Amino acid sequence: GENVEQHPSTLSVQEGDSAVIKCTYSDSASNYFPWYKQELGKRPQLIIDIRSNVGEKKDQRIAVTLNKTAKHFSLHITETQPEDSAVYFCAATPPGYSTLTFGKGTMLLVSP
Amino acid sequence: GAVVSQHPSRVICKSGTSVKIECRSLDFQATTMFWYRQFPKKSLMLMATSNEGSKATYEQGVEKDKFLINHASLTLSTLTVTSAHPEDSSFYICSAPVPRVSTDTQYFGPGTRLTVL
Repeated sequence: GENVEQHPSTLSVQEGDSAVIKCTYSDSASNYFPWYKQELGKRPQLIIDIRSNVGEKKDQRIAVTLNKTAKHFSLHITETQPEDSAVYFCAATPPGYSTLTFGKGTMLLVSP
Repeated sequence: GAVVSQHPSRVICKSGTSVKIECRSLDFQATTMFWYRQFPKKSLMLMATSNEGSKATYEQGVEKDKFLINHASLTLSTLTVTSAHPEDSSFYICSAPVPRVSTDTQYFGPGTRLTVL
């Protein structure tokens, strides 16, 4: 089955800095890669996703890049704000399945 | 936007009792829903896929007799933790794909915090 590795496990940045979280996946057939943000005690919320036919996608301060050859994808957050502090999860889905395989999460702390 | 609700949000029960958790899709029909379990500071682990009108598909290592799943309608799936024990204490979250968005994109419920004494 699919295996998703996520790094780093924790990331501390100063407000205004950029943050990058990286994930690798094992199943070359995977074609859908969402990112979720989860605040303490709350539900995971989808913040951005990318499909395998696209190399990059951007939504305001958030962007995701995908390298199919290397089987890795990354989340980029620019101009970080304290409210960006949360745990971020990457996930991957092979075609023909709707189940998500999640990475272990990255705790992002943005200090004012 | 698509909304997935869960009830209850928090439950405390005695060891040996059963607890039912409901997951509802509020503005869309969900033929498939997913149940996850999340331990503190850990990732989401898929427990089972709930299929409307048929049996749930359980992930390896998940006891189907302990975690009963019923998907009786297109808007409701229930997870019953039978004969709960302290080690079953966890955060249980459901999710569902929203057809009008895509078959891949999943939206999560708010979760249910189960504490077994």
